[in-house]
Amino acid sequence: DAKTTQPNSMESNEEEPVHLPCNHSTISGTDYIHWYRQLPSQGPEYVIHGLTSNVNNRMASLAIAEDRKSSTLILHRATLRDAAVYYCILRDSINMRFGAGTRLTVKP
Amino acid sequence: ETGVTQTPRHLVMGMTNKKSLKCEQHLGHNAMYWYKQSAKKPLELMFVYSLEERVENNSVPSRFSPECPNSSHLFLHLHTLQPEDSALYLCASSQTLGLAGRDTQYFGPGTRLTVL
Repeated sequence: DAKTTQPNSMESNEEEPVHLPCNHSTISGTDYIHWYRQLPSQGPEYVIHGLTSNVNNRMASLAIAEDRKSSTLILHRATLRDAAVYYCILRDSINMRFGAGTRLTVKP
Repeated sequence: ETGVTQTPRHLVMGMTNKKSLKCEQHLGHNAMYWYKQSAKKPLELMFVYSLEERVENNSVPSRFSPECPNSSHLFLHLHTLQPEDSALYLCASSQTLGLAGRDTQYFGPGTRLTVL
């Protein structure tokens, strides 16, 4: 399975944009890039996914590099409720393999 | 009720007990999953069911026994567990396995299991 690499932790100030990076240099052509987040004491929550083109939804934006070897999850205005562990995952099948993710801290 | 629900939310059991975890999804999905999240370890996929048929079993010990009586319900039967099985057990569902990497999974809040 292709692996992803994310920073262990990041900090942001409230109401500022946050860019969460993910490297996936061994991505295959059929892998979708998914982002989930896990708030404290909750199960993971879907955020966004994409294949080649950048994607936007009400929660976030996903910017995918042209060679697909990296991607960035963008939270346009971080709130305290966005404090969570963010997981970048590659999927082409049943399996969704979670890594350690990035723990995002949002400071008021 | 909406989404994916799990009961109980917390469970403490001895090593000789038998207990069951229950998951119910109200999304009309055809695929359901069990995951294990141990302290300081990534989520691990345990079992996958599609239309009540098991399609994945990731080398899980036999003391964990899943059951999927219909596409809305999923159980995890536990017996003679070890203290190292203490973890958060998460259930998830998705529309169908046929979407390959495109489908999204919806998770329940989990059952926090402690084995004494």
